Amino acid sequence: GQSLEQPSEVTAVEGAIVQINCTYQTSGFYGLSWYQQHDGGAPTFLSYNGLDGLEETGRFSSFLSRSDSYGYLLLQELQMKDSASYFCAALNRDDKIIFGKGTRLHILP
Amino acid sequence: KAGVTQTPRYLIKTRGQQVTLSCSPISGHRSVSWYQQTPGQGLQFLFEYFSETQRNKGNFPGRFSGRQFSNSRSEMNVSTLELGDSALYLCASSDPGTVRNEQFFGPGTRLTVL
Repeated sequence: GQSLEQPSEVTAVEGAIVQINCTYQTSGFYGLSWYQQHDGGAPTFLSYNGLDGLEETGRFSSFLSRSDSYGYLLLQELQMKDSASYFCAALNRDDKIIFGKGTRLHILP
Repeated sequence: KAGVTQTPRYLIKTRGQQVTLSCSPISGHRSVSWYQQTPGQGLQFLFEYFSETQRNKGNFPGRFSGRQFSNSRSEMNVSTLELGDSALYLCASSDPGTVRNEQFFGPGTRLTVL
């Protein structure tokens, strides 16, 4: 089957760095995306990794290792507004996207 | 560009009824995907329509169906509603021609089945 595993919850302190891991098992894997969803809001796209390595977008970075079927999202200089759920999503060669169950990020002042 | 719109935003139905949800994608996007979101289950893929054809399908029973019109607008139908169908239904549009196939989500339709 196809599945993605990510922690259900992560807690971090404002101003700190947090890493949200994602392992995947999908056929025809093509790339890994990350989405953010605030309570009551719609998911919004954060980043995409089609190749191994690190992609940086401001305070957010995402990493992919195809050999390990693993990726992570790194959030730096955490702000209270970063409190949200974060989903990893695997894109396969048929353009099918499978989402993980999401990681709830709690930020403490 | 206007974003993805979904109607209605809220629905209350009773078991056994059927429901139709509507989604209008971003102008120029030909792909529309539907997801069911429930607490603890994340976003579960229902199906994807591209140029009026169902291109991908998730693992949902046949009670869940959809269609896409020539203007790319899409509808999702759920027949014989069950209590477990209570969820947030999200649609997302995308341009599959881009490498990352970024999904642009609508605000969702909150369905409550009593």
